[in-house]
Amino acid sequence: EAGVAQSPRYKIIEKRQSVAFWCNPISGHATLYWYQQILGQGPKLLIQFQNNGVVDDSQLPKDRFSAERLKGVDSTLKIQPAKLEDSAVYLCASSLVAGSGTVTYEQYFGPGTRLTVT
Amino acid sequence: EDQVTQSPEALRLQEGESSSLNCSYTVSGLRGLFWYRQDPGKGPEFLFTLYSAGEEKEKERLKATLTKKESFLHITAPKPEDSATYLCAVQDPYNNNDMRFGAGTRLTVKP
Repeated sequence: EAGVAQSPRYKIIEKRQSVAFWCNPISGHATLYWYQQILGQGPKLLIQFQNNGVVDDSQLPKDRFSAERLKGVDSTLKIQPAKLEDSAVYLCASSLVAGSGTVTYEQYFGPGTRLTVT
Repeated sequence: EDQVTQSPEALRLQEGESSSLNCSYTVSGLRGLFWYRQDPGKGPEFLFTLYSAGEEKEKERLKATLTKKESFLHITAPKPEDSATYLCAVQDPYNNNDMRFGAGTRLTVKP
């Protein structure tokens, strides 16, 4: 079974430029997540999609970050304009379905995109 | 706000020297506690899910246990290939089942 795919793997941009990341989840996984991981910290959730609808984007800096998941499969995360503090690894994860009731489902992560803003 | 705290931040072991990593959490109505392994330059890799106090799960040299306020990841007779960062996360049932991650424990096993 193919895992979560992400591209690019690395990106270097100057501040105030824009950048986009792409994610293809595991086939059949309804829920897709974008995380930001700053060096030395655990992943921080940015946005969660259930199929092509947003479930939670409360921690997404909406003045500069945007995300979409067209047709409930692939997703893109965009930053415009980038700031120095956006330097981090951006991780995409997917799961069969968001947990409900007493059942939960583990998340499977892609390799991440390392963004450096200079 | 719910907190997930992992200790120690870093741990250096000799090959074969068993030890434990700790994850303490404050969350109301725990739905699930997850352990992940993360190698440098890679995304986290799922290890275990624990749902209720008293539950234990094992995989090779790793055993995860859960109490009402903390979880332990026991590593028995570790090998150099067990070197990685181990992340703990809890699922928050009152906030869209969001995963809250700790900062991780960076484990180094010397041959």
